Amino acid sequence: EIVLTQSPATLSLSPGERATLSCRASQSVSSSLAWFQQKPGQAPRLLIYDASNRATGIPARFSGSGSGTDFTLTISSLEPEDFAVYYCQQRSYWPLTFGGGTKVEVK
Amino acid sequence: EVQLVESGGGLEQPGGSLRLSCAASGFSFSSYAMSWVRQAPGKGLEWVSAISAGGGDTYYADSVKGRFTISRDNSKNTLYLQMNSLRAEDTAVYYCAKDLIEGYFDWLHSWGQGTLVTVSS
Repeated sequence: EIVLTQSPATLSLSPGERATLSCRASQSVSSSLAWFQQKPGQAPRLLIYDASNRATGIPARFSGSGSGTDFTLTISSLEPEDFAVYYCQQRSYWPLTFGGGTKVEVK
Repeated sequence: EVQLVESGGGLEQPGGSLRLSCAASGFSFSSYAMSWVRQAPGKGLEWVSAISAGGGDTYYADSVKGRFTISRDNSKNTLYLQMNSLRAEDTAVYYCAKDLIEGYFDWLHSWGQGTLVTVSS
């Protein structure tokens, strides 16, 4: 099973700041990695797929990069609605696996 | 508009069974693979199971293999999860999710709002 390790667990930032979230895979998943955003009481929302492709309707301030085992989600300038939990997920191998999440909170 | 509405959750005793349903609308259900993903209270996301568009291919997390069965009825636009031999650790919100593109397995794009399953005596 592919283990995805996200860091940091919590990121404390202010609106307007840049957020950089990391996801590391236990073995190469090529570019088969996605990022999801989840707010309290809501279902997850797909942000990025295939490591760097934004899903429909996702603002340009969200970007993804990386391949192999190291991936990054960057939010260029945090908006108030971006404070949430973010998960990475791989679909290179069964079973599909998620990272443990990074909470982006208001500083 | 894609809509996924889960139902069938509730309180069940350890060792019991539940069947979850996910009613789909707004897209060609029979063309998309579907998945179940769960989230224990206060915890992260855990993928549970996936089924191909035609239903011929299924996959399971090790934690549920042999206890849960995913199925679909394309004539009723409905996805199911039969959950047997329930354990306390199965307590979670269960989401159904539709893949991004039709065909074989792809990214989990559209999600329902979830149904809560509580396993407790």
